[in-house]
Amino acid sequence: SYELTQPPSVSVSPGQTARITCSGDALPKQYAHWYQQKPGQAPVLVIYKDSERPSGIPERFSGSSSGTTVTLTISGVQAADEADYYCHSADSSGTYLVFGGGTRLTVL
Amino acid sequence: QVQLVESGGGVVQPGRSLRLSCAASGFIFRSYGMHWVRQAPGKGLEWVAVISYDGSDKYYADSVKGRFTISRDNSKHTLYLQMNSLRVEDTAVYYCAKGGSGVLDGMDVWGQGTTVTVSS
Repeated sequence: SYELTQPPSVSVSPGQTARITCSGDALPKQYAHWYQQKPGQAPVLVIYKDSERPSGIPERFSGSSSGTTVTLTISGVQAADEADYYCHSADSSGTYLVFGGGTRLTVL
Repeated sequence: QVQLVESGGGVVQPGRSLRLSCAASGFIFRSYGMHWVRQAPGKGLEWVAVISYDGSDKYYADSVKGRFTISRDNSKHTLYLQMNSLRVEDTAVYYCAKGGSGVLDGMDVWGQGTTVTVSS
């Protein structure tokens, strides 16, 4: 199997920048995607293909990739951004997909 | 509008079977890969299975391989998940999600989920 590793939690004050990392051996070869999930709701895609932003997602959400790590950056964090965030990608063969364990973003 | 509606969840005893359905509307269903993703109570997301736009490619998580089967009927705009030999650890909310033209694309539309409880 294959694993993606995320920090369990990240905390920031309103207006600051939050960075959530996701590490995996196949990330240099495979795109990663990011999802936001609020309690009791279905996940929402916020970044796809490492750094592309779907329509309707605020510009303060951005993504980047460097080697075996991808990063979701939320600039000017707002209280509404408090949620769980998950990365998603595939192994090097492209036949086994996986989610990271999730990161709870707390807005202080 | 683009919508996915899951159905078929419920309470089932260990070892029994259940079939989930996901009705799609508002997009050209036959053009997109489709996923099943589950979330156990209080836990993170777990990818379950994906099927290509035409059903020719199917991939599964190790935890369900050999027990679950993903399928689709493009004429009915419906995705299915046949779950056999259910285990207590299969208890979760099951989401269907729309992928892209390829099976590795992001999931840009999700249903609200259907709950499966495996218990004796």
